[in-house]
Amino acid sequence: AQSVTQPDIHITVSEGASLELRCNYSYGATPYLFWYVQSPGQGLQLLLKYFSGDTLVQGIKGFEAEFKRSQSSFNLRKPSVHWSDAAEYFCAVGANDYKLSFGAGTTVTVRA
Amino acid sequence: DADVTQTPRNRITKTGKRIMLECSQTKGHDRMYWYRQDPGLGLQLIYYSFDVKDINKGEISDGYSVSRQAQAKFSLSLESAIPNQTALYFCATSDFPPGELFFGEGSRLTVL
Repeated sequence: AQSVTQPDIHITVSEGASLELRCNYSYGATPYLFWYVQSPGQGLQLLLKYFSGDTLVQGIKGFEAEFKRSQSSFNLRKPSVHWSDAAEYFCAVGANDYKLSFGAGTTVTVRA
Repeated sequence: DADVTQTPRNRITKTGKRIMLECSQTKGHDRMYWYRQDPGLGLQLIYYSFDVKDINKGEISDGYSVSRQAQAKFSLSLESAIPNQTALYFCATSDFPPGELFFGEGSRLTVL
């Protein structure tokens, strides 16, 4: 079965600074990878996804992620953070069984 | 209207009571899921259904049951609620594999 680790529970970043959230997965074959964002009191919204092809994936809200097979990673990045990016971020991995496994999440705080 | 609707959004109940959380979707997806979110644990899969006649247990199904009344409706029941079932519950749907999920806004359940 697949699994996901998000090593950082909480990250604080200054507005305008860059952001990188780490995600490591465990799966024997090529996984399907996702990043979701959850704003306070809201459901989860898909930021981006990787199925195959180009390993650098562009998403919504200026986010991108890079799939690195050799490192079993799918880290999320944003060059310049806005106060509205304060939220909880979840990495998820899917396999051919059509179920997603989620990481524990990383909470991002943005300071002025 | 939201594509995936959960009711109720908030519920407080007492230990031993029977609770039903309902989910309906207008996306036309065959696959529906119930997840539970706890702080620091991410999302854990309770049950999933690939069509009306197909229901499967997820990682944490003990103490829960589900009913798929129609393609668009998937209900989660707690037959006898206990305090450690206090959590945020999400319904989700997906179309063809590899399973990008579309989430409802969540149902917050408190069991006293």
